[in-house]
Amino acid sequence: DIQVTQSPSSLSASVGDRVTITCRATQSIGNYLNWYQQKPGNAPNLLIYAASTLQSGVPSRFSGSGYGTDFTLTISSLQPDDSATYYCQQSYRTPRTFGQGTKVEIK
Amino acid sequence: QVQLVESGGGLVKPGGSLRLSCAASGFSFSEYYMSWIRQAPGKGLEWVSYISGSGTTIDYAASVKGRFTISKDNAKNSVSLQMSSLRAEDTALYFCVRDVRRGSSGDFFDIWGQGTMVAVSS
Repeated sequence: DIQVTQSPSSLSASVGDRVTITCRATQSIGNYLNWYQQKPGNAPNLLIYAASTLQSGVPSRFSGSGYGTDFTLTISSLQPDDSATYYCQQSYRTPRTFGQGTKVEIK
Repeated sequence: QVQLVESGGGLVKPGGSLRLSCAASGFSFSEYYMSWIRQAPGKGLEWVSYISGSGTTIDYAASVKGRFTISKDNAKNSVSLQMSSLRAEDTALYFCVRDVRRGSSGDFFDIWGQGTMVAVSS
């Protein structure tokens, strides 16, 4: 199975900060990497697919980059509504696997 | 309005069975793969199973293979997950998810239901 590992597992940042979350796959997955946001009590919400394509309706402060094994989710200017857990997920091969999550808190 | 609504969760004893259902609306259901993804309390996300639009291609996570069966009824716009030989470690919130397959343009989970809770305990 392809494993994806996120870092950090949690972070605390201030409103307006630039926040970066990384995801590393155990083998090359091309651009088959997606990012989701999950708020407590809610289902996950797709933010970014194919490593860098912003899902419709997602604010432009979210962006994704990377190819192969190393990927990044960036929030350019952190907002209070961005407090959530973020997951990366590889779709290169079945079983589809998720990172362990990064909890983002607002200072 | 694109929507997925799960039902069928509950409390079941180890070794028991349960059938989850998911009703889809607002999109051309027969054209899409569908997946089940679960989340144990306080834990991360685990893909469980997928089924193709026509229902002819199916796969399962190793942790549930041989115990769970996914099925799809395109006439009723519904997908089901029959779970048997349930274990404590199957306790989770089970999400029904639309599974988009675009190849190099992206394969991703874009529509999620709110989930149905399955608790396996004696």
